[in-house]
Amino acid sequence: NAGVTQTPKFRVLKTGQSMTLLCAQDMNHEYMYWYRQDPGMGLRLIHYSVGEGTTAKGEVPDGYNVSRLKKQNFLLGLESAAPSQTSVYFCASSSTGTGPSPLHFGNGTRLTVT
Amino acid sequence: AQSVTQPDIHITVSEGASLELRCNYSYGATPYLFWYVQSPGQGLQLLLKYFSGDTLVQGIKGFEAEFKRSQSSFNLRKPSVHWSDAAEYFCAVGSNYGGATNKLIFGTGTLLAVQP
Repeated sequence: NAGVTQTPKFRVLKTGQSMTLLCAQDMNHEYMYWYRQDPGMGLRLIHYSVGEGTTAKGEVPDGYNVSRLKKQNFLLGLESAAPSQTSVYFCASSSTGTGPSPLHFGNGTRLTVT
Repeated sequence: AQSVTQPDIHITVSEGASLELRCNYSYGATPYLFWYVQSPGQGLQLLLKYFSGDTLVQGIKGFEAEFKRSQSSFNLRKPSVHWSDAAEYFCAVGSNYGGATNKLIFGTGTLLAVQP
């Protein structure tokens, strides 16, 4: 029972490089999210998706792009990495319901931009 | 706008002692409230949630939380802490509005250390 899987677990980039983080869930959830976690700031929502083919901006979307071509996958892209994007990135998913459903989190990707 | 405040950045308790982690929220309507726990190197795991009904909710691992509307609080409690409870705890508030539900706002977290 994999749940939410994130790849890679660690990555080091140089300023200006690009990369894509992959999130996969096997729970048939409609909603998927990308958060970043920074010390003393909790988790902040970057982008989210309410279904296949849809994406929307969260609290801190600048410098990131996302795609949800398949229901089970949610990709987070950094086109030109900056040191300010050094963070731990978490993907989460949730089902629909009459109220907010609990989020299921992956184990995170630790990204360092030098 | 919704917001969540966790006043305590770091708390240390002795094993076997009781625990209370504070959470205050700001939200105009009845909120949906959650507590999550994060162990080192791991993602967040749901401890408990409050949507409506009984204001005292039970969660996993012996945790409970009480919703107090008059105080805008949702404090997490455990009567006897175990060493394995050392982790970071996050309170979150969500809403059910049209379009994108489940957009949780997280507090900044409380790091719990447990002394033997």
